[in-house]
Amino acid sequence: NAGVTQTPKFRVLKTGQSMTLLCAQDMNHEYMYWYRQDPGMGLRLIHYSVGEGTTAKGEVPDGYNVSRLKKQNFLLGLESAAPSQTSVYFCASSNPTPGQGSYEQYFGPGTRLTVT
Amino acid sequence: AQSVAQPEDQVNVAEGNPLTVKCTYSVSGNPYLFWYVQYPNRGLQFLLKYITGDNLVKGSYGFEAEFNKSQTSFHLKKPSALVSDSALYFCAVRASGGYNKLIFGAGTRLAVHP
Repeated sequence: NAGVTQTPKFRVLKTGQSMTLLCAQDMNHEYMYWYRQDPGMGLRLIHYSVGEGTTAKGEVPDGYNVSRLKKQNFLLGLESAAPSQTSVYFCASSNPTPGQGSYEQYFGPGTRLTVT
Repeated sequence: AQSVAQPEDQVNVAEGNPLTVKCTYSVSGNPYLFWYVQYPNRGLQFLLKYITGDNLVKGSYGFEAEFNKSQTSFHLKKPSALVSDSALYFCAVRASGGYNKLIFGAGTRLAVHP
């Protein structure tokens, strides 16, 4: 049981380039989330999904797109990277079913992205 | 507006001493509160949560947290700190609108000195 995994771990992009970050979870969770972490700002929600085929905007969605074609995968895309998108990106998942292990989110190891 | 405040950027504690990492929140209705820990170059790990019931919640690695409704606080505590507890700690509250969305504080860096 790997939990939540993210690829790649590190990436350097030039301004204007595009890339996709992949998140996969093997816990059969319905909900998945993408965050960015910046120093002194905690984690901010970019987009989230409440089930296969659904996506919704979070707090800071501009410049990002997402897709959830399969329940276990949640992709985050940057169409035209900007230096302001330099950050550490975390994926998480959670279980909506009431009971033990509900409500909290489980996080992947993160992707460190630098845009030059 | 919903928010979480962690008033201390850094907390310094000597090994063996008790530690407290502070968190206050602002939400409407009953709060669902969480603590996470992040070790260097790692993802966030869930420590404990308060949903309902006893105001003192016990979690992983000997940590506990006390929910205080009148003070809107959820401070993280440990009776005896270890050097290995040194990490970044995040408090979070469940956001309105469902789907287990969380609002995070800015984080508090805990440094435990030998």
